[in-house]
Amino acid sequence: DGGITQSPKYLFRKEGQNVTLSCEQNLNHDAMYWYRQDPGQGLRLIYYSQIVNDFQKGDIAEGYSVSREKKESFPLTVTSAQKNPTAFYLCASSIYSGNSPLHFGNGTRLTVT
Amino acid sequence: DQQVKQNSPSLSVQEGRISILNCDYTNSMFDYFLWYKKYPAEGPTFLISISSIKDKNEDGRFTVFLNKSAKHLSLHIVPSQPGDSAVYFCAATANQAGTALIFGKGTTLSVSS
Repeated sequence: DGGITQSPKYLFRKEGQNVTLSCEQNLNHDAMYWYRQDPGQGLRLIYYSQIVNDFQKGDIAEGYSVSREKKESFPLTVTSAQKNPTAFYLCASSIYSGNSPLHFGNGTRLTVT
Repeated sequence: DQQVKQNSPSLSVQEGRISILNCDYTNSMFDYFLWYKKYPAEGPTFLISISSIKDKNEDGRFTVFLNKSAKHLSLHIVPSQPGDSAVYFCAATANQAGTALIFGKGTTLSVSS
């Protein structure tokens, strides 16, 4: 079954710790994305990557970092510099960036206390 | 500044009636528009899209209308079913490599039986 896998579904961390969220896809898509959802805020773009070893900042990249060493994988690190890290994080992929639909994973709920 | 706006946070309709969800955009470079449906604690699922060269696209019970001069699009669901109850996101992008979808804040649709 082709799809996007995000793990874990729920993640708890103490304030001041970095945490890495996993995202893997077997759809052979070139582009991958990270969005964050907060109540009443919709989906806001954190980072995206069009191809391996390349990525661009989205609207709210501060306090986050990514890597794209393999086509299938696009992990997101939430650093201690992110002021409000508690949120629902969504990873997505598309055949290419631009006019193609995104396919989303089921998300990771990160809670930082 | 929001480039994609969904001004109605919620909408309630009766089963069998039409649901109309609205979306406005400000960026005249946008030329590809999508609607996504999202259940709590899950990733959004793609519903339907429309290119700016069209003014209507239909897929079963779902129809999207695009009014470029007004920078407005709408999603019609006919007939509405209780299973349609979810959050609906409008998204837009420009047909250029290196762009990502910009999402609205969503409209929560409740369909009562």
